[in-house]
Amino acid sequence: EDKVVQSPLSLVVHEGDTVTLNCSYEVTNFRSLLWYKQEKKAPTFLFMLTSSGIEKKSGRLSSILDKKELFSILNITATQTGDSAIYLCAVEATGSSNTGKLIFGQGTTLQVKP
Amino acid sequence: KAGVTQTPRYLIKTRGQQVTLSCSPISGHRSVSWYQQTPGQGLQFLFEYFSETQRNKGNFPGRFSGRQFSNSRSEMNVSTLELGDSALYLCASSLAVGGYTFGSGTRLTVV
Repeated sequence: EDKVVQSPLSLVVHEGDTVTLNCSYEVTNFRSLLWYKQEKKAPTFLFMLTSSGIEKKSGRLSSILDKKELFSILNITATQTGDSAIYLCAVEATGSSNTGKLIFGQGTTLQVKP
Repeated sequence: KAGVTQTPRYLIKTRGQQVTLSCSPISGHRSVSWYQQTPGQGLQFLFEYFSETQRNKGNFPGRFSGRQFSNSRSEMNVSTLELGDSALYLCASSLAVGGYTFGSGTRLTVV
């Protein structure tokens, strides 16, 4: 059965700290891995990764994929209280049985204290 | 451009009742997927519609159903509600592979 596992499940840091969120997956017919940030309700898109070793960056956030070891990390540097949220990792697979479907991890709840 | 719109935002229903939730995708998006989010199970895939056809379905009982209209708007229906159906129901629309945009969800509480 396809699965996505995130760690840690929760994390408390102070402003200015750097955090690393982990996502490992066991998914047949992998197509892409996506990261989302969920603050209130709507998950908002952060990154989509399809190729190993290519870092994607957006401001203080960056992410990389390792397709050999089947994991991805999301880094947040110089954290701010506004980074407090649930970070979701999801994998999309190819094939008719996977059409339109994302397989999500449990999420990592990040709390950034002032 | 307008995002994905879900209505209603909140809903309280009694066990045994049925409920219909609505999702209007981003203009031009023809694929709509539905997810159930609970604290214990996280986000779980319900089903996906494309051009009025259900292309994929998750492991949920038959009480959960959906449909899509010619304008790509989608509805999901849950019949004979159970307490365990209390959740945040999210829909996502997509134009192409990997480009999923989520709505703000409908918070359903079953009492």
